[in-house]
Amino acid sequence: GENVEQHPSTLSVQEGDSAVIKCTYSDSASNYFPWYKQELGKRPQLIIDIRSNVGEKKDQRIAVTLNKTAKHFSLHITETQPEDSAVYFCAANTGNQFYFGTGTSLTVIP
Amino acid sequence: KAGVTQTPRYLIKTRGQQVTLSCSPISGHRSVSWYQQTPGQGLQFLFEYFSETQRNKGNFPGRFSGRQFSNSRSEMNVSTLELGDSALYLCASSLGGRDGTQYFGPGTRLTVL
Repeated sequence: GENVEQHPSTLSVQEGDSAVIKCTYSDSASNYFPWYKQELGKRPQLIIDIRSNVGEKKDQRIAVTLNKTAKHFSLHITETQPEDSAVYFCAANTGNQFYFGTGTSLTVIP
Repeated sequence: KAGVTQTPRYLIKTRGQQVTLSCSPISGHRSVSWYQQTPGQGLQFLFEYFSETQRNKGNFPGRFSGRQFSNSRSEMNVSTLELGDSALYLCASSLGGRDGTQYFGPGTRLTVL
């Protein structure tokens, strides 16, 4: 089955800096890649997603890039703010089910 | 639209007992998936139901089962609870396409003593 690896597991950045989280996947059939943000004690919230026919997608300070050849996709957060502190999960969908990365705990230091 | 809801939010059980968790999807969503979330393992897929049928299943023992009703509400049952079943159980709903966007509920925190 699909295997999604996510790095780093923890990330600390200064407020205003950029943060990058990377995920790799193994199944070339994966065609949909969402990113979720989970604040402490809350549900995972979809923040951005990308489909395999698109290489990049941006939504204000958040962007996602996809490299199908290398089978990796990344989340980019620019101008980080303290409220960006949370755990971020990537996921890949093979058309049958979602496979999640193990999460990145992002801390934005004021 | 109201979001995905789950009941109860917290549960404490003892080993050997069984438990039933409930999930109400977003109105119009026909697919409900269940996940187990633990600090070490992240989000692990349990199963997915679509139109009252289990469409996909993860690698969990048969003690974990589920069902879906005609109104798309879903229940998950865990029998003969073990200490290792302590986790946050999340359900997610989507319209039903196999790669449709999923929206999560708040989860049920299960503690097994």
